Amino acid sequence: GQSLEQPSEVTAVEGAIVQINCTYQTSGFYGLSWYQQHDGGAPTFLSYNGLDGLEETGRFSSFLSRSDSYGYLLLQELQMKDSASYFCAVKGGNQGGKLIFGQGTELSVKP
Amino acid sequence: NAGVTQTPKFRVLKTGQSMTLLCAQDMNHEYMYWYRQDPGMGLRLIHYSVGEGTTAKGEVPDGYNVSRLKKQNFLLGLESAAPSQTSVYFCASSSKSGGAVTGELFFGEGSRLTVL
Repeated sequence: GQSLEQPSEVTAVEGAIVQINCTYQTSGFYGLSWYQQHDGGAPTFLSYNGLDGLEETGRFSSFLSRSDSYGYLLLQELQMKDSASYFCAVKGGNQGGKLIFGQGTELSVKP
Repeated sequence: NAGVTQTPKFRVLKTGQSMTLLCAQDMNHEYMYWYRQDPGMGLRLIHYSVGEGTTAKGEVPDGYNVSRLKKQNFLLGLESAAPSQTSVYFCASSSKSGGAVTGELFFGEGSRLTVL
């Protein structure tokens, strides 16, 4: 089976940089994704890492180390609107595209 | 562009009642999923479908049934609702050649179900 661990809460100030870590255990690894969810609304896709290294998309970057079963989401130049829950997720197999999600990290951005 | 639409958005049931949640997507995606989300927890996969007429169990399938008679629709049924099924239910879809490879799912806005 698959399991993921990420911190339950993170607090940071506006303009700062924050890193949200995710460690996983899987029977087979097919990629790590990150999602953002505001106030219980629809989760939205942020990034995907299939191979080791850093993927950058604007203020957000995501990193993966398959040998360490570890990844992180890096948010730079934090804005108040970044306050949300962030989920890492691994593919639940190489068929069907289904994802298994971590329990989520609630990010609070303070002025 | 509607994306993924869920109906109803809110519903209150009594224990033992049955209901069906409807998910519709207009992106011609092959794959569709039903997740539930409980407070302080991530999304847990209930059932999923890789194509019209096919369904499969996810992490927490007990107490639910699904059907995918048309490519664009994925129905989630509760035959005899229990208070433990009080949750927010999210439907999602992805394309076989795109999102299923890159881990990008498109989610609906959720259906909030309370079972008394």
